[in-house]
Amino acid sequence: GAGVSQSPSNKVTEKGKDVELRCDPISGHTALYWYRQRLGQGLEFLIYFQGNSAPDKSGLPSDRFSAERTGESVSTLTIQRTQQEDSAVYLCASSLERRREAFFGQGTRLTVV
Amino acid sequence: SQKIEQNSEALNIQEGKSATLTCNYTNYSPAYLQWYRQDPGRGPVFLLLIRENEKEKRKERLKVTFDTTLKQSLFHITASQPADSATYLCALDPLNGQNFVFGPGTRLSVLP
Repeated sequence: GAGVSQSPSNKVTEKGKDVELRCDPISGHTALYWYRQRLGQGLEFLIYFQGNSAPDKSGLPSDRFSAERTGESVSTLTIQRTQQEDSAVYLCASSLERRREAFFGQGTRLTVV
Repeated sequence: SQKIEQNSEALNIQEGKSATLTCNYTNYSPAYLQWYRQDPGRGPVFLLLIRENEKEKRKERLKVTFDTTLKQSLFHITASQPADSATYLCALDPLNGQNFVFGPGTRLSVLP
């Protein structure tokens, strides 16, 4: 596609449920990043993929969070047993290679009630 | 501890005036630094990238400088327009393999 696509754009879930957030990066981009942005806050790094492997998972807040990438393309961020503190916009970005400009998707707004 | 700071949370200027936004970092050794703009409800959009061996980079009405001695980058915007109103984020990529991290942003409002 022309840009980074994220789905769903909005997700409301009950506390304790699992959610899956999807990111379709720009075709050919080897690097893929997930960030979290709480209301009025800056971007918080979660995880980085180079190809299908994740050399940097240092930002994942807890073991409830996991992510995978397949086919050097689509990535899924999974949050298990969601908590209200997980409410935020989750942003995905991709770049041609690691040290190049990143292109962001529109984000998934997650609300845990 | 490692820290990235951007000047005042919000900056208001009159249309046509210039503005300078600062990005200061502590305990990082970035290979390069990027600037993005973010509009409400949208993902950040890339503006400029400057490498550690570059002093200055320009793009239209924008100019970015990078001083590794002062550990600072300055973002200049001239002949501002209301459409320039956004939050401006700096992001740096440390040499030590950590991933690139964003500053908290400065919200710029250009008043007509």
